[in-house]
Amino acid sequence: DADVTQTPRNRITKTGKRIMLECSQTKGHDRMYWYRQDPGLGLRLIYYSFDVKDINKGEISDGYSVSRQAQAKFSLSLESAIPNQTALYFCATSDFSGTYNEQFFGPGTRLTVL
Amino acid sequence: GNSVTQMEGPVTLSEEAFLTINCTYTATGYPSLFWYVQYPGEGLQLLLKATKADDKGSNKGFEATYRKETTSFHLEKGSVQVSDSAVYFCALSDGAGSYQLTFGKGTKLSVIP
Repeated sequence: DADVTQTPRNRITKTGKRIMLECSQTKGHDRMYWYRQDPGLGLRLIYYSFDVKDINKGEISDGYSVSRQAQAKFSLSLESAIPNQTALYFCATSDFSGTYNEQFFGPGTRLTVL
Repeated sequence: GNSVTQMEGPVTLSEEAFLTINCTYTATGYPSLFWYVQYPGEGLQLLLKATKADDKGSNKGFEATYRKETTSFHLEKGSVQVSDSAVYFCALSDGAGSYQLTFGKGTKLSVIP
């Protein structure tokens, strides 16, 4: 079984709809992250969490919110989706005790907003 | 702030050709450096890493050396295979306990038989 899973893998929605992307991990890591990937732009950090009570904004948090329901679960919400949020979204985890920030990625969710 | 610049793609090579993908960085302190690979339809996987100057990371025939004097971490492979076709991302993390990976924009490699 994969260590970092994301659901759904693909989603098509309409402008103005609320949508939630979910991430679960079995690696036992404290830190979790949400990134979006756009062609030619690499990956950009949306939100990150060091533990259940610690949520932080990343580079491009506007229009997004997150919830850390448990150590193993980190959800990303789009309250009112817009077309320029069409992208590939990745969840990642890392170990707080590591001396460098190696991150482990989920398979991604492809989101299309019409 | 931190930044990573890697060569623009796409790169197309014949099988068994030599590969170099250039990566330079700007960072405060002493960053750790990474190369991630993304195969079609999949998430990112760590390919190799180096945590201090002059370290050489290696994996699956790929190598990269952390050059502090030139702030570079170029990826090389002596003989590419069709199965190496993927997007390669250079990334940095600025020191122990830091939270964020800063990525380059990615370089798409296509290897033809």
